[in-house]
Amino acid sequence: GNSVTQMEGPVTLSEEAFLTINCTYTATGYPSLFWYVQYPGEGLQLLLKATKADDKGSNKGFEATYRKETTSFHLEKGSVQVSDSAVYFCALHAGGTSYGKLTFGQGTILTVHP
Amino acid sequence: GAGVSQSPSNKVTEKGKDVELRCDPISGHTALYWYRQSLGQGLEFLIYFQGNSAPDKSGLPSDRFSAERTGGSVSTLTIQRTQQEDSAVYLCASSLEGLRTDTQYFGPGTRLTVL
Repeated sequence: GNSVTQMEGPVTLSEEAFLTINCTYTATGYPSLFWYVQYPGEGLQLLLKATKADDKGSNKGFEATYRKETTSFHLEKGSVQVSDSAVYFCALHAGGTSYGKLTFGQGTILTVHP
Repeated sequence: GAGVSQSPSNKVTEKGKDVELRCDPISGHTALYWYRQSLGQGLEFLIYFQGNSAPDKSGLPSDRFSAERTGGSVSTLTIQRTQQEDSAVYLCASSLEGLRTDTQYFGPGTRLTVL
């Protein structure tokens, strides 16, 4: 079946540090890949997505590249801010017989200190 | 425009009672999804609607769970004879057509607590 594995957290960084959150996936066919973010007390919102191999999604200084050869979609940001503290979820949509559902990773808690 | 809305935002119930959770998707979105978020299980898919039909109910955990969608818009998730393990945040999402490439937009969730 389809699955998503994220690096275990929590991750604690100082402001302006470099961030990487690893995400690898298993899926049949050619899934679309997503990063969602959940800020404290708020709902899930899309951070970025990529729908085919070698696509790069980017938003708010975050980037992730769809790597089919390594089945990965790692999230990166060059300089994190305190306001980036949140839970980050990697997800895939396999399409086909998986219909509409997103398969999520377990989430990574990020805390950024001033 | 308005996003996905859910009601109630919080629901506390006693074990054995029935509950109904409501979702209003973004206007014009034909696809609607229910997920459940809990500490132990993470984010789990429950059911997917395309229009008023539900081609994928594979995530419903038991026959106590049911959902319907009327008029291609509002959806209700019903849990009968609630159990303590049903305590979770229930999330609704919608997308334009349900395609693999579509973004799913999530509502704020309903926090269900079963005493």
